[in-house]
Amino acid sequence: GAVVSQHPSWVICKSGTSVKIECRSLDFQATTMFWYRQFPKQSLMLMATSNEGSKATYEQGVEKDKFLINHASLTLSTLTVTSAHPEDSSFYICSGQHYNEQFFGPGTRLTVL
Amino acid sequence: SQELEQSPQSLIVQEGKNLTINCTSSKTLYGLYWYKQKYGEGLIFLMMLQKGGEEKSHEKITAKLDEKKQQSSLHITASQPSHAGIYLCGADSGGSNYKLTFGKGTLLTVNP
Repeated sequence: GAVVSQHPSWVICKSGTSVKIECRSLDFQATTMFWYRQFPKQSLMLMATSNEGSKATYEQGVEKDKFLINHASLTLSTLTVTSAHPEDSSFYICSGQHYNEQFFGPGTRLTVL
Repeated sequence: SQELEQSPQSLIVQEGKNLTINCTSSKTLYGLYWYKQKYGEGLIFLMMLQKGGEEKSHEKITAKLDEKKQQSSLHITASQPSHAGIYLCGADSGGSNYKLTFGKGTLLTVNP
C-alpha cells in the first residue's frame, strides 16, 4: 500500500515556541492531505484538509493562525504549531488521499513544557 | 455533522474467542472504513465498505455493512494477542475530498 511518513516522530518544546511537523507521501502523489489530532484514549479529530497549492480548510474550532498548514507540493504538507502551549500537547497524525483511500502517517507526539 | 458511535468502548477476551465490534452512524454512510491502531502509532487500514449489505474478509477479520448503510460490524474469529489494539471506524462524508469522521474507538485486549 501507499506509504506516508511524518517527521519528527516526537518533539518536546518550550511554551511559546513554534514547532513544524512534516508529512510526506513517499510513493504516491497526494493532492489532498488531512491533519488529525488525537488526545490520550480519544479518537482522531480532524483539524484541517490540506490541498496542494491552495489554502487549507480548517474544521470548526481549529485556529488557523495557530495551526499553519502548507501544502507546497504533491508529496509534502507541513503543520506548524505556532506559539505552542501545554494544551497543544497531543498526538498529531496526517494522512494522504490516494484514490478513495486515506493512508496514515505514524504520527508525531508533541509535548509542550 | 456525521457522528459515529462505536460499541463496546473496550473489550477483553480470551485468546481463541470470537468478538464483534459495532459502529453506528447517525447518517447514511457513503463509505465506511475500519482501521486498527496501536496507541501512539499510526493507523493501519483494514477494510472499506461502500455498498449496502457488503461484506469483506481478510484473514480472521470480517467486516459488514448493513443494507441501510448506517451500521457496520467488525468480527474477529479465533482472536490472537496480535489482534489487540484500538479499532476505529471512519465514515466518508460523501464529499469530493473523502474527509473522514472517526468513532471513539474500541480498545481490544486479548489475553493469552
